[in-house]
Amino acid sequence: LAKTTQPISMDSYEGQEVNITCSHNNIATNDYITWYQQFPSQGPRFIIQGYKTKVTNEVASLFIPADRKSSTLSLPRVSLSDTAVYYCLVGDRTKPNSGYSTLTFGKGTMLLVSP
Amino acid sequence: NAGVMQNPRHLVRRRGQEARLRCSPMKGHSHVYWYRQLPEEGLKFMVYLQKENIIDESGMPKERFSAEFPKEGPSILRIQQVVRGDSAAYFCASSREDGVMPDTEAFFGQGTRLTVV
Repeated sequence: LAKTTQPISMDSYEGQEVNITCSHNNIATNDYITWYQQFPSQGPRFIIQGYKTKVTNEVASLFIPADRKSSTLSLPRVSLSDTAVYYCLVGDRTKPNSGYSTLTFGKGTMLLVSP
Repeated sequence: NAGVMQNPRHLVRRRGQEARLRCSPMKGHSHVYWYRQLPEEGLKFMVYLQKENIIDESGMPKERFSAEFPKEGPSILRIQQVVRGDSAAYFCASSREDGVMPDTEAFFGQGTRLTVV
C-alpha cells in the first residue's frame, strides 16, 4: 500500500489560495489519488480525484507531476468555512477488493482559515 | 437521493453492554465500509461488506466486534461487552464499486459517536 505524508497543519487567511502537498513515493501504476475533506463531527466528504497531470472541479484543483510521487490540492480563495481536515489517499483502481477497503486516511492536514 | 444514513448519531453505553450501529447505504450502492476514528486521529478501516458477504474484516478486532449487511435492511456494526476503549466515532461509507476509479467515490455518513461510561 502506498503510504502518504502530509503536513499536520496549515494556516491561511480568507481570500488566499491554499496549496496542500501530499507525498506518496511508493505509488503504484494502478493507484488513483483522492482527497477528502472532514469538518468536525461530520464524515469525510469527497473533494477531487486524479491519476496524472491536472484535474479541476468546482471546488478545487489537483496537480500531479509526471512521476506521481506527490500531489498538490489547490483551494482557490479560501473562506472561513474551508477550515477542516484534508486527507490525501492513494488507492488501486483495478485490483479487486482492494479499493476503498484498503485506503488509509492517516491524520490528514488541519487547515485553519482566519479572517 | 438520500445520502448514507447512520443511526443513532450518539450512543451511550455502560461497560459490558452491547452497542448496535446502523448504516443505510446510498441507493444503488452495494459496497459498505466501516471506519473508526479516535479523537485527534485519522479514520481506520475496520470492515468491508457487500450484500450478505463480508469481503475484508482485517481491520476489525477479532473479539466482541461483528458486522453484517443483510439482503434486506441496513448494515449493522455490533460491539459486544463494550469497554471504555471502544469510545470513538464510527463512520460508515458506501460506494457503487470498490475500485478507486472515477465516479466511484465513497460517500460517508455523519457517523455514530459511541461513548462508553
